[in-house]
Amino acid sequence: DGGITQSPKYLFRKEGQNVTLSCEQNLNHDAMYWYRQDPGQGLRLIYYSQIVNDFQKGDIAEGYSVSREKKESFPLTVTSAQKNPTAFYLCASSIGGTSGYEQYFGPGTRLTVT
Amino acid sequence: ELKVEQNPLFLSMQEGKNYTIYCNYSTTSDRLYWYRQDPGKSLESLFVLLSNGAVKQEGRLMASLDTKARLSTLHITAAVHDLSATYFCAVSMEYGNKLVFGAGTILRVKS
Repeated sequence: DGGITQSPKYLFRKEGQNVTLSCEQNLNHDAMYWYRQDPGQGLRLIYYSQIVNDFQKGDIAEGYSVSREKKESFPLTVTSAQKNPTAFYLCASSIGGTSGYEQYFGPGTRLTVT
Repeated sequence: ELKVEQNPLFLSMQEGKNYTIYCNYSTTSDRLYWYRQDPGKSLESLFVLLSNGAVKQEGRLMASLDTKARLSTLHITAAVHDLSATYFCAVSMEYGNKLVFGAGTILRVKS
């Protein structure tokens, strides 16, 4: 079955701790994306990567970091510098990084920081 | 900066009725997407609109794109309870295929 997996589904952390969210895809897609969703709002782009070993900041990158060492994997680290990390995090991928390619979304990780 | 506005943000409708959700965006783009999200779930792709005048239909939903007016519509025909969800439109930025999302329209279909 081809698709995007994110783990864990729910994640609880204490304030001040870094946490890494996993995103894996077996669709052979070049481009991958991380979005954040807050209650009652649309999605906002955190980071995106069009190719292995390259990534760019999105609109709300502060307090987050990513890596893209393998085509199929794009982990997101939420650092202690992120002021309000509690949110629903969605990973997506698309065939290419050029406009027009549909993005497919993973099931999401709900992060709660107390 | 690209901005995407949806209206209404909340829509309560009776089963069997028709209604339209509107999506306006602020800068030139001819790539627009509609997604559905059920509570606590991820996004499901509904429509991909890639040119001016594009119209796509699936069941009771029909989406259209007018790039000159920078407007997309999602029309619901004879609503049923199963259509209750949040609907997002998203516009693609040319470089990097970045999506800018609207705030979403919460649709509740009452029987």
